[in-house]
Amino acid sequence: DGGITQSPKYLFRKEGQNVTLSCEQNLNHDAMYWYRQDPGQGLRLIYYSQIVNDFQKGDIAEGYSVSREKKESFPLTVTSAQKNPTAFYLCASSVGTSGSSYNEQFFGPGTRLTVL
Amino acid sequence: DAKTTQPPSMDCAEGRAANLPCNHSTISGNEYVYWYRQIHSQGPQYIIHGLKNNETNEMASLIITEDRKSSTLILPHATLRDTAVYYCIVRVEAAGNKLTFGGGTRVLVKP
Repeated sequence: DGGITQSPKYLFRKEGQNVTLSCEQNLNHDAMYWYRQDPGQGLRLIYYSQIVNDFQKGDIAEGYSVSREKKESFPLTVTSAQKNPTAFYLCASSVGTSGSSYNEQFFGPGTRLTVL
Repeated sequence: DAKTTQPPSMDCAEGRAANLPCNHSTISGNEYVYWYRQIHSQGPQYIIHGLKNNETNEMASLIITEDRKSSTLILPHATLRDTAVYYCIVRVEAAGNKLTFGGGTRVLVKP
């Protein structure tokens, strides 16, 4: 089946530790995205990547880092510099990032990170 | 970015049509209106999008006013599984297809 996978579904870490969230897609999409969602809120963009070896900051990039070494993978590292890391993290992908109307984003199931 | 305004919540009877309004009065000419929904603790799911004309697919219909300042998502026969938060989004053409999510409308379908 084609889709986006995120693992694990639930993740617990101690304060001060870096943690990396996985995101893999087999849709052959060029673009990938990371969003953060807090309870009762909409999604906020952390980072996005339009192509391999390239990525840009979103609205709330501070305290996060990403890499895009492979088309299929876009891992997100939540560093100890992120003040409030506990949240629901969603990864998405799309065919591309042009103005085409056929560029809807497909989302993974999310990872719920809790920092103790 | 063109911002959107949606009612925070609404109830709908199972089997009836659900009409979800969205205001986007600052939308620019080349921006599309997208609708997504998010069932509790899952990733958002694409529903439909449009530019000027009304659109229909197997999930819903999208009605966009002639001045494009507002739109309505119609779920023709709501089921209990349609209970979710529905987001109306105006897509920014620059900055890599970024989706800016607002608070959405929390729709509760009741039996």
